[in-house]
Amino acid sequence: GAVVSQHPSRVICKSGTSVKIECRSLDFQATTMFWYRQFPKQSLMLMATSNEGSKATYEQGVEKDKFLINHASLTLSTLTVTSAHPEDSSFYICSAGGQGRGGGEQYFGPGTRLTVT
Amino acid sequence: GDSVTQMEGPVTLSEEAFLTINCTYTATGYPSLFWYVQYPGEGLQLLLKATKADDKGSNKGFEATYRKETTSFHLEKGSVQVSDSAVYFCALSPEAGRRALTFGSGTRLQVQP
Repeated sequence: GAVVSQHPSRVICKSGTSVKIECRSLDFQATTMFWYRQFPKQSLMLMATSNEGSKATYEQGVEKDKFLINHASLTLSTLTVTSAHPEDSSFYICSAGGQGRGGGEQYFGPGTRLTVT
Repeated sequence: GDSVTQMEGPVTLSEEAFLTINCTYTATGYPSLFWYVQYPGEGLQLLLKATKADDKGSNKGFEATYRKETTSFHLEKGSVQVSDSAVYFCALSPEAGRRALTFGSGTRLQVQP
């Protein structure tokens, strides 16, 4: 099946610094990738839709200047958390849907656990 | 907008018990429906899916049938194992347009030996 990887799997950073998370589709091309955020024992909340070669579409309430998304190729999207604060600590998960893949199926990365101290 | 409602957990069962996790949805048109499973510390894995009314998705002994008339997609398994302990998410993908998933709140299943 389709494989999506994320890097890093865990990151601890100090308040005020920036962190970049990579999401890669390893065996298919993804015109669209999605970034979700998951708080402990809660569901996934869509943050933004990342479209290859164009600007990301952010969900209401998500600060686009804080969560920078770049989708420079059909296999890579990055999420940069800028000027991180402790409240940004969360589990960030990306997913990808490939071209021609029907049924709306998404393939999820293993997630990145961000801890801001 | 679209929404998914799941039964609240946690659900605690003994090994070999029958499992049902209820899921209902609200959406326009004909969405695709999914069940994803998340094991501790891991990302989401697709468990099964159904793309049209009356379709039955099945995998690893789990089943769910797309019921348009009741807007439901309940997850069932006849005999659970300890290894099935995880969080289960019901989700839908809209019929057209972008394919972001709308998730239910998740149901934690704990299977005891």
